[in-house]
Amino acid sequence: GESVGLHLPTLSVQEGDNSIINCAYSNSASDYFIWYKQESGKGPQFIIDIRSNMDKRQGQRVTVLLNKTVKHLSLQIAATQPGDSAVYFCADTGANSKLTFGKGITLSVRP
Amino acid sequence: GAVVSQHPSRVICKSGTSVKIECRSLDFQATTMFWYRQFPKQSLMLMATSNEGSKATYEQGVEKDKFLINHASLTLSTLTVTSAHPEDSSFYICSATDREDEQYFGPGTRLTVT
Repeated sequence: GESVGLHLPTLSVQEGDNSIINCAYSNSASDYFIWYKQESGKGPQFIIDIRSNMDKRQGQRVTVLLNKTVKHLSLQIAATQPGDSAVYFCADTGANSKLTFGKGITLSVRP
Repeated sequence: GAVVSQHPSRVICKSGTSVKIECRSLDFQATTMFWYRQFPKQSLMLMATSNEGSKATYEQGVEKDKFLINHASLTLSTLTVTSAHPEDSSFYICSATDREDEQYFGPGTRLTVT
């Protein structure tokens, strides 16, 4: 499934399907981007990052895509599992290390 | 490696009292620590940036006299919510950056003011 992250706060996907979570950022000077996963009552957990000199980076089951032209970031999760259910935040930062977090999207995985 | 802890994990206090939250980097020295606040169903909002041995830098709209931050060592920062009120009830999260500027988050502290 797909979600335009900032406009659809909840994404529901079938277990085993791929998930795509989108995020828009506003600061054109940002040069470092991170996706975090946050489970209920816990702090953010780092998933994957990407620097502005790249447009794609892959991890284990996750891929981050960066389109600097339209200031858009996406997180793709392959073969989504129940344990992926959480709130996902994108964050961006520039030279001062201060992170700006997006609004967050709840990913719900249906068994 | 790179573990950040917070204490307490949960705290309930009465309106008008003060409460202190600790943030520790357990296995690295943190050049900078950040404090965030997160209300239910919302994102993390940066409150302040803290560097060891210097005054914290507060974000616009955050009262420095209400949210006292002390960064006494390279592994410990504290946030004291003074004269707490119910509207201060929130999830407070700290993060710490290492020398390579990697940022690691603590598990958060749930504050409830009654």
